[in-house]
Parts: sequence; structure tokens; C-alpha cells
Amino acid sequence: AQKITQTQPGMFVQEKEAVTLDCTYDTSDPSYGLFWYKQPSSGEMIFLIYQGSYDQQNATEGRYSLNFQKARKSANLVISASQLGDSAMYFCAAHYQLGGSEKLVFGKGTKLTVNP
Amino acid sequence: DTGVSQDPRHKITKRGQNVTFRCDPISEHNRLYWYRQTLGQGPEFLTYFQNEAQLEKSRLLSDRFSAERPKGSFSTLEIQRTEQGDSAMYLCASSYRGDGSYEQYFGPGTRLTVT
Repeated sequence: AQKITQTQPGMFVQEKEAVTLDCTYDTSDPSYGLFWYKQPSSGEMIFLIYQGSYDQQNATEGRYSLNFQKARKSANLVISASQLGDSAMYFCAAHYQLGGSEKLVFGKGTKLTVNP
Repeated sequence: DTGVSQDPRHKITKRGQNVTFRCDPISEHNRLYWYRQTLGQGPEFLTYFQNEAQLEKSRLLSDRFSAERPKGSFSTLEIQRTEQGDSAMYLCASSYRGDGSYEQYFGPGTRLTVT
């Protein structure tokens, strides 16, 4: 069974500092993808960054980067220069395909609070 | 491109009533997904459509739940004989693999409260 583990229920960071949100995954599939989504209090899921299992380089999108360590099955999100607007829930998810179907499997999330 | 839309945004119903939610995906997206998110949890997969074909249903989707995508465009999720345990946020997402991307674009969700 596919499983995503986010071990940090909550994280605090000072504005303008960097923060790392942890994510480990469990899969035996040779091909998979890893996502990070942000969910503000308003509820919408906002795509942040994607890493494919065969990608050689770690993904980066602006202030977001993904520290992908395949051997350790970890895909941590690094947010640089935190802003007050970064306060939200952050979900790590894995994309799985089986037969003709596909889905995202999410972790339980980490609540990030950015302090001024 | 107006994004994924869901209707209604909020629904309060009494236990035992039937409810139906609608999802309109991004127009060129042929793949559509429903997820359920309860308080303090990440979204959980419910079902997946490719065009009008429903290719997977989660075991979370009991016989009281049914989803359709009749013309491969919008989708509906119906819950019959609602129970208090059905109270959750129901999220719809869509995607298009033609550009090689696996990204799923989410709608704002329908928050269901069963009293």
C-alpha cells in the first residue's frame, strides 16, 4: 500500500528565514511522482512543486525547492525567505498509476506558522 | 481558463437526506478525481474518471455514494441517506496528461455538514 508520512504536525519559522518540511514515502513502484500542495485556511489546494522519480535534479520553483533523496525515500520541501503569507497547511502527496487508474495519496500535513 | 469549479460551496443537511455535488473541471482536462478531506487529515482518494469512464472507486466509497461523468465534462457526486460521518470537505480535481504533466488542479471544495 502506498503511504506518505509527514512527521511534523506543526512548524514555526521566523519571517525571512528558511524552513524544511519533512516527507517520506513508501512505494515499490519503479515510477512515481511527488507533489507538495499548500492549503490556506480558505481551503483550496494550491500546487507548489513536483518531482518525478526519474528526475536527476531536485525540483525548484521560485522560493520552493524539493530535497529529493530517493534511497531514503524522502522528499522534503524547503521554503526559503519565509513570508507571512506562507502560513498554511502543507501536504506532501505521491502520484501513483496502476492499470488504467491513477491517484494522489496524501500525507496528514504540516501546519506552518510564520512569525513576524 | 477559469479553473475547477464546485457547487455548492457549503451544504448543510439532515441525517438521512440525499445530497448531490457538482464539479466542472478545466475545459480541456479529460481526467477528473474526487477526494474527501476530514478535519485534520489530508485528502483521501474517492474515485477517478478518464473521460466518461469511471476507472477506479476507493473502498471508502460505500454503496451510498455514486459518481458520474455523463459526457466526459462535468461530474456529480451523490450521497444517499447521509450519515454524520459523511461530514467532510469534498474536493474535485482535474488534470490533462497531454503536456506530460501529472499535476492535478483542485477546485475550492464543497463542505458538507450532516446534522
